[in-house]
Amino acid sequence: NAGVIQTPRHKVTGKGQEATLWCEPISGHSAVFWYRQTIVQGLEFLTYFRNQAPIDDSGMPKERFSAQMPNQSHSTLKIQSTQPQDSAVYLCASSSGQRDTQYFGPGTRLLVL
Amino acid sequence: GQQVQQSPASLVLQEGENAELQCNFSSTATQLQWFYQSPGGSLVSLLSNPSGTKHTGRLTSTTVTKERRSSLHISSSQTTDSGTYLCAIERSNTNKVVFGTGTRLQVLP
Repeated sequence: NAGVIQTPRHKVTGKGQEATLWCEPISGHSAVFWYRQTIVQGLEFLTYFRNQAPIDDSGMPKERFSAQMPNQSHSTLKIQSTQPQDSAVYLCASSSGQRDTQYFGPGTRLLVL
Repeated sequence: GQQVQQSPASLVLQEGENAELQCNFSSTATQLQWFYQSPGGSLVSLLSNPSGTKHTGRLTSTTVTKERRSSLHISSSQTTDSGTYLCAIERSNTNKVVFGTGTRLQVLP
């Protein structure tokens, strides 16, 4: 079991560019979560899928951020027109069910210059 | 205000000493989980413990749901235990997971 896979591990973009982050959950897990971690804000919930359906995106910034889960083997987080304040580590986690233990990927460290 | 408060913010121990980490939360929770984040940044789930007491290895977690608090006890600490310990709750009637700010533990040889 490879665990949750996130790619890329590091991404540097210029202000205004688009960034797409990928997450491959653990095989068989039905729930996928996205989080963002910064020094200032700590770990923040962004969005959550269950059986590929978006359940709660209340943590997502309303503009520029979107997440999809086109199939059970991967989810993407897209940030349009990136801004320096988007710089953070973006973490993906998966679990067997909503309230089961979450297993985290290594994260994608995004730096927006 | 902060929904999940952790204390202490940082803790320095000598190897072999025990550590007691606290987590207090301001809203009812249907799930509570303790995580370890290594200095390199990777996040690992330690225990899921919405209520009662759970043991795994040198870790013991006790959650008193009515009092909205949980503790994580690390016995016989080792230098490899150094890192940040995070408490996270899932608020009742929501799908949202809220993390505390963490306790940074340093275990000296």
